[in-house]
Amino acid sequence: NAGVTQTPKFQVLKTGQSMTLQCAQDMNHEYMSWYRQDPGMGLRLIHYSVGAGITDQGEVPNGYNVSRSTTEDFPLRLLSAAPSQTSVYFCASSRRGDRSYEQYFGPGTRLTVT
Amino acid sequence: AQSVTQLGSHVSVSEGALVLLRCNYSSSVPPYLFWYVQYPNQGLQLLLKYTTGATLVKGINGFEAEFKKSETSFHLTKPSAHMSDAAEYFCAVTSPLIYNQGGKLIFGQGTELSVKP
Repeated sequence: NAGVTQTPKFQVLKTGQSMTLQCAQDMNHEYMSWYRQDPGMGLRLIHYSVGAGITDQGEVPNGYNVSRSTTEDFPLRLLSAAPSQTSVYFCASSRRGDRSYEQYFGPGTRLTVT
Repeated sequence: AQSVTQLGSHVSVSEGALVLLRCNYSSSVPPYLFWYVQYPNQGLQLLLKYTTGATLVKGINGFEAEFKKSETSFHLTKPSAHMSDAAEYFCAVTSPLIYNQGGKLIFGQGTELSVKP
């Protein structure tokens, strides 16, 4: 059981480039989320999904796209990278029906946009 | 809407001293509350959680937290700090009474705990 995995671990992009951050989970969790972590701001929700084919925006969705074609995968796309998107990105998953609503986090992707 | 405020972005204690990290929340519906810990260059690990029932919850590594509805607080404590407790700590809130909230946590700003020998 690998839990939540994220690739790549590190990435450097130039302004205007696009890329996809990958997230996968093998726990058959219905809920998946993307957060970004910035110093002094905690974690902020970018997008989340309550199941395959269903996504919604979080607190800071601008500049990011998501889709969820399978239960296991929830990729995050940066359409045209900007320096303001330099951050650490975490993917998380949780089980519907789990009364605790506990989320399981991946190890993170550290992204630098120059 | 829900929100979380963590008082103090940095807390420093001596080894063996009491650890107290403060968390206040705002929620119009009964909250579920969490404390997560993040060690340097790692992901987030759940320390403890409050959902319903007993208001004093115990977690891993000797930490505990008490849900106080009247004070809208969920402070994290540990009687005796250890060097290995040095990390960043995050308080978070969600609610089962908000539709499809299962994928959403609202986090506080984080508190970095330093432990002096």
